[in-house]
Amino acid sequence: EAGVVQSPRYKIIEKKQPVAFWCNPISGHNTLYWYLQNLGQGPELLIRYENEEAVDDSQLPKDRFSAERLKGVDSTLKIQPAELGDSAVYLCASSVTSAGELFFGEGSRLTVL
Amino acid sequence: DAKTTQPNSMESNEEEPVHLPCNHSTISGTDYIHWYRQLPSQGPEYVIHGLTSNVNNRMASLAIAEDRKSSTLILHRATLRDAAVYYCILRDVQAGTALIFGKGTTLSVSS
Repeated sequence: EAGVVQSPRYKIIEKKQPVAFWCNPISGHNTLYWYLQNLGQGPELLIRYENEEAVDDSQLPKDRFSAERLKGVDSTLKIQPAELGDSAVYLCASSVTSAGELFFGEGSRLTVL
Repeated sequence: DAKTTQPNSMESNEEEPVHLPCNHSTISGTDYIHWYRQLPSQGPEYVIHGLTSNVNNRMASLAIAEDRKSSTLILHRATLRDAAVYYCILRDVQAGTALIFGKGTTLSVSS
């Protein structure tokens, strides 16, 4: 069974440019999460979806970050415009239900120059 | 969310047991104790979880104190592949909240 798939694995952009990350969760997993991980720190939750509904987006910086999960399957996280401080690893995870074990992808490493 | 306290780092030798401690003095009755680990350049992966009783699985054992204010993750025979950051997380599954990660414990394993 395929795990959580994220792309791209690496992305280097100039500041003020837009960037998007894509996540394909495990089939049948209703809950999807986006986390941000800075170097040496634990992952921080950005947003949680139950099917296509964002049920917890309190930590998402809405001035520049946006996310969507159309049809309750794949999800996209966008940053526009990117800032130097956005350099981090963006992790996607999914679970069967909101109470279930989380399965993480390998992450997308963003470098903003 | 209730907080956990873990040592920043620990060291072990290969094939020896490792005991990773976690303090969670403000744990509530509905909080489950979860452990995840993160290998280098990978996303976190589930290790084990429990509520009150000790738990065993193929990866590890979880020993929970009687008052539930602390717990210990036990790796019975450490291998080089067990070198990772280990996160102890309290999660109220009834509330359906997401995992809130701390800094975890970085485990080094030497041959």
